[in-house]
Amino acid sequence: TQLLEQSPQFLSIQEGENLTVYCNSSSVFSSLQWYRQEPGEGPVLLVTVVTGGEVKKLKRLTFQFGDARKDSSLHITAAQTGDTGLYLCAGEAGFQKLVFGTGTRLLVSP
Amino acid sequence: SQTIHQWPATLVQPVGSPLSLECTVEGTSNPNLYWYRQAAGRGLQLLFYSVGIGQISSEVPQNLSASRPQDRQFILSSKKLLLSDSGFYLCAWSLWGGQPQHFGDGTRLSIL
Repeated sequence: TQLLEQSPQFLSIQEGENLTVYCNSSSVFSSLQWYRQEPGEGPVLLVTVVTGGEVKKLKRLTFQFGDARKDSSLHITAAQTGDTGLYLCAGEAGFQKLVFGTGTRLLVSP
Repeated sequence: SQTIHQWPATLVQPVGSPLSLECTVEGTSNPNLYWYRQAAGRGLQLLFYSVGIGQISSEVPQNLSASRPQDRQFILSSKKLLLSDSGFYLCAWSLWGGQPQHFGDGTRLSIL
């Protein structure tokens, strides 16, 4: 069974701080996706990384796929209150489905 | 553009009652369809997925079942709900397996 463990599970910071969220597995994934979910809504895709070592930037968010394609990180620079939410990583687990990580709940206070 | 509709948004049901949650997708053909359950503030557990009409793959043994009577319609059902069936249920679609998934807004199911 492929598992994706995210850390930390919960993070509470002040506006303007930097943070990193980790997504780790013992399995290799052909691609990995990051989603953000607001309360009462479905997750929304942020980015997909495909190549080992790949780095993608989305404004203040930087995503990295590990060289061995077993792990990924999400770094947020100068967090804003609008970044608050549940962050989920998901790996391609076979032809038809994704396996989702355990989630990181981020709270950014003004 | 493609859209996904899931209803109802909230449901309160007594133990032992039946369940039917519906999900429809518009603007695409032959999508992969998925049902997930999410515990509060946690990741998503895949319950069922379907790659075509009438085809259902079950991921975990449980009290629930799924059906796909039409190409863009996915239904989650139960004959008799248990307390443990409470949770947030999400429907999603993708063009094919492993591709980014697009989610509905979910159904909050509470069993009393």
